[in-house]
Amino acid sequence: GQQLNQSPQSMFIQEGEDVSMNCTSSSIFNTWLWYKQDPGEGPVLLIALYKAGELTSNGRLTAQFGITRKDSFLNISASIPSDVGIYFCAGQIRGGADGLTFGKGTHLIIQP
Amino acid sequence: DARVTQTPRHKVTEMGQEVTMRCQPILGHNTVFWYRQTMMQGLELLAYFRNRAPLDDSGMPKDRFSAEMPDATLATLKIQPSEPRDSAVYFCASGWTGPSNQPQHFGDGTRLSIL
Repeated sequence: GQQLNQSPQSMFIQEGEDVSMNCTSSSIFNTWLWYKQDPGEGPVLLIALYKAGELTSNGRLTAQFGITRKDSFLNISASIPSDVGIYFCAGQIRGGADGLTFGKGTHLIIQP
Repeated sequence: DARVTQTPRHKVTEMGQEVTMRCQPILGHNTVFWYRQTMMQGLELLAYFRNRAPLDDSGMPKDRFSAEMPDATLATLKIQPSEPRDSAVYFCASGWTGPSNQPQHFGDGTRLSIL
């Protein structure tokens, strides 16, 4: 089956720093999504990307859908304590009509 | 904000017992998904429905798991008999699939422990 390779696995940063994480795949995906999960809760949608090359922002978050359809990145600018959590990339082959394939997650830890 | 509601939030039971997990999708969503999250495997798709019809359950162990949608406001995932390896967090998600797709939104999960 399809696999998403997400990196880095974890990040230890200082408050105020910028963060960058990415996902790659050997298969083409037609939709890319980024979710954040806090302890004891379900994944919460951050950004959805539907077109190759698309660059979308949501506040301090920016994500891009790779032109090859095989990768995506998420940037967080000026990190704050509430950004702590696990970030997941997810892909769909049929653009919303099927289930998600998830990456293994990036665990973001912010040191005061 | 509309939310996906899952019950129970936590379930502890002995192996061999039947487990039923319930999900109320967001009103108006026509597609419902079941996922399982473990430390080893991460988030995995088990099954999904569109307009209450099962579309894909290839990720689900068929011998002990079953998923149904008795009506548009309720999806169920049953395990019978349960085994310790079924211990995981089970998430339900719902979305809209049509001319304009809407992404999936997740509930807060059922944390299942099989002793």
